[in-house]
Amino acid sequence: GAVVSQHPSRVICKSGTSVKIECRSLDFQATTMFWYRQFPKQSLMLMATSNEGSKATYEQGVEKDKFLINHASLTLSTLTVTSAHPEDSSFYICSARVTGLSGPGFRGYTFGSGTRLTVV
Amino acid sequence: GENVEQHPSTLSVQEGDSAVIKCTYSDSASNYFPWYKQELGKGPQLIIDIRSNVGEKKDQRIAVTLNKTAKHFSLHITETQPEDSAVYFCAASYNNNDMRFGAGTRLTVKP
Repeated sequence: GAVVSQHPSRVICKSGTSVKIECRSLDFQATTMFWYRQFPKQSLMLMATSNEGSKATYEQGVEKDKFLINHASLTLSTLTVTSAHPEDSSFYICSARVTGLSGPGFRGYTFGSGTRLTVV
Repeated sequence: GENVEQHPSTLSVQEGDSAVIKCTYSDSASNYFPWYKQELGKGPQLIIDIRSNVGEKKDQRIAVTLNKTAKHFSLHITETQPEDSAVYFCAASYNNNDMRFGAGTRLTVKP
């Protein structure tokens, strides 16, 4: 249980275009999802926290108009990188707080498989 | 905010030996400490976690210890195997909110 499906796994786009990354919770309701960015050989940096039905909370230094997050349902959160540039090339990973699988309460966090974005 | 430090950054052991990775955290309010294993090109996978009301937890060859007073926690892998080779991340969070990750440890198990 507690699977988060992230798509696409890899995407190459031209500079100036937008790319949408989706994360779906398959067997639980994800009221909260987190979006991370990871550069090669580095740790995961939290970009934003999205709560279903409300605006995302962005970490300091993350441009909310560039990284649009939508969490319109309990099973889907999307990250759209707008007007992408080569410096946006990175590994993007979502994570969901797992609750209520076999009972109420917190059950940990589960991660998607990541999206390798390359902007050319 | 929370700051998590992780050591060592790289660790190489012989197959069958033990591996220990250590993390310290700054926010005494943090109460959830997971460990993740990340293989190349994949998302992190939870391998073990511990809450602040527990001092030690074990799952087969993997164990985690927590010292709340010193604000540090460690991952212990015994009888290491080549398939244990990966990058391991520790993390800390308060009341199940956003987690802060350590910088990661690249573990190499030599056959």
